[in-house]
Amino acid sequence: AQTVTQSQPEMSVQEAETVTLSCTYDTSESDYYLFWYKQPPSRQMILVIRQEAYKQQNATENRFSVNFQKAAKSFSLKISDSQLGDAAMYFCAYRSVQGAQKLVFGQGTRLTINP
Amino acid sequence: NAGVTQTPKFRVLKTGQSMTLLCAQDMNHEYMYWYRQDPGMGLRLIHYSVGEGTTAKGEVPDGYNVSRLKKQNFLLGLESAAPSQTSVYFCASSSTVETGNTIYFGEGSWLTVV
Repeated sequence: AQTVTQSQPEMSVQEAETVTLSCTYDTSESDYYLFWYKQPPSRQMILVIRQEAYKQQNATENRFSVNFQKAAKSFSLKISDSQLGDAAMYFCAYRSVQGAQKLVFGQGTRLTINP
Repeated sequence: NAGVTQTPKFRVLKTGQSMTLLCAQDMNHEYMYWYRQDPGMGLRLIHYSVGEGTTAKGEVPDGYNVSRLKKQNFLLGLESAAPSQTSVYFCASSSTVETGNTIYFGEGSWLTVV
């Protein structure tokens, strides 16, 4: 079974600075998807960024980018020019392309933005 | 677009009571999932369905039952609620053919068992 590990329960960053959230995963599959979700206090699950495992190029969405290291099974999220609205829980998630395609989540990282 | 709708959004139950959470999606998705979220543990899969009339157990199925009699609805039942089932419950759905492999989430249902 696949597992996802986020080793940073909490992180903080100064507004306008850059922060990187870590995620590692374990799988024997060669093709899969990886995601970062943002969860504000409202508990809504917001998709931040998606990475297909077969693509070597790292995904980027505006101020959000990932560092995908397939061999190391690492998938970190970099947030540039941090804004107060970025404060939230961030979850890393793995999704198989086979079977029921279940989403497996990490434990989450709570990100605080200091003004 | 309604997307994924969960009912109810808040509920307080007494130990031993039963209830059903309803998840409805209007996107004609084949796959549907029920997750629970507890502090410090992320989201864990309770049950899932790959199509109408089919259900399967996830990571933490004990104490829950599910049914998917219609493609658009996925019901999560608690037959005899326990305080350990106090949690936030999320329903999600996805398509087998949509590109990008996106999973759509409902807004969550807060359940407290006292």
